[in-house]
Amino acid sequence: QVQLQESGPGLAKPSETLSLTCTVSGGSVSSGDSYWSWIRQPPGKGLEWIGYITFTGTSIYTPSLKSRVTISVDTANNQFSLNLNSVTAADTAMYYCAKNMGYWGQGTLVTVSS
Amino acid sequence: EIVMTQTPLSLSVTPGQPASISCKSSQSLLRTDGKTYLYWYLQKPGQPPQLLFYEGPYRFSGVPDRFSASGSGTDFTLKISRVEAEDVGVYHCMQSIQLPYTFAQGTKLEIK
Repeated sequence: QVQLQESGPGLAKPSETLSLTCTVSGGSVSSGDSYWSWIRQPPGKGLEWIGYITFTGTSIYTPSLKSRVTISVDTANNQFSLNLNSVTAADTAMYYCAKNMGYWGQGTLVTVSS
Repeated sequence: EIVMTQTPLSLSVTPGQPASISCKSSQSLLRTDGKTYLYWYLQKPGQPPQLLFYEGPYRFSGVPDRFSASGSGTDFTLKISRVEAEDVGVYHCMQSIQLPYTFAQGTKLEIK
């Protein structure tokens, strides 16, 4: 069964870039029909889908974050990554990675603060 | 984007009693391929969301059969036939028929 694990700094400063990695085990990021998503959840709030990258390398982002977000894949290390630039306090959230919206990682909390 | 709305926002249920959560979408979630692009999740306290149902009524692996999902078009329902203590948490519905994927606000289920 596929497992996902998020990693990255738990603290980012305003205006900097937030970078997270999702390591996949029990499956390949190159496998057909796989969509690798990032989702976030501000403390005490609902879920927001950020975007995904497909097994072909195509990435799609939610419009509200499109100008600041990049999702990429690293097939050599079986990982995919999230970069979110120009962060503010509003980007403070638990960040989750997921495969086909069915298998989720445990999440990693990122706080944006000076 | 498609707006998802859940009701109620909170629910307090006695163990052994049924529970029902409604999810409505601003557009039909039925695609021409015959699939309904509606997902249900349960997020237990301190945990990530776990998938309960996908593409409408299809139960994900390991989900107890006291859970059921129904509905079509824009109106959907998640039912628990007999609530157990382990069912506490926030239930979320999500649509994936149109990008961006969108979630409803969530429904918090508590035990009386």
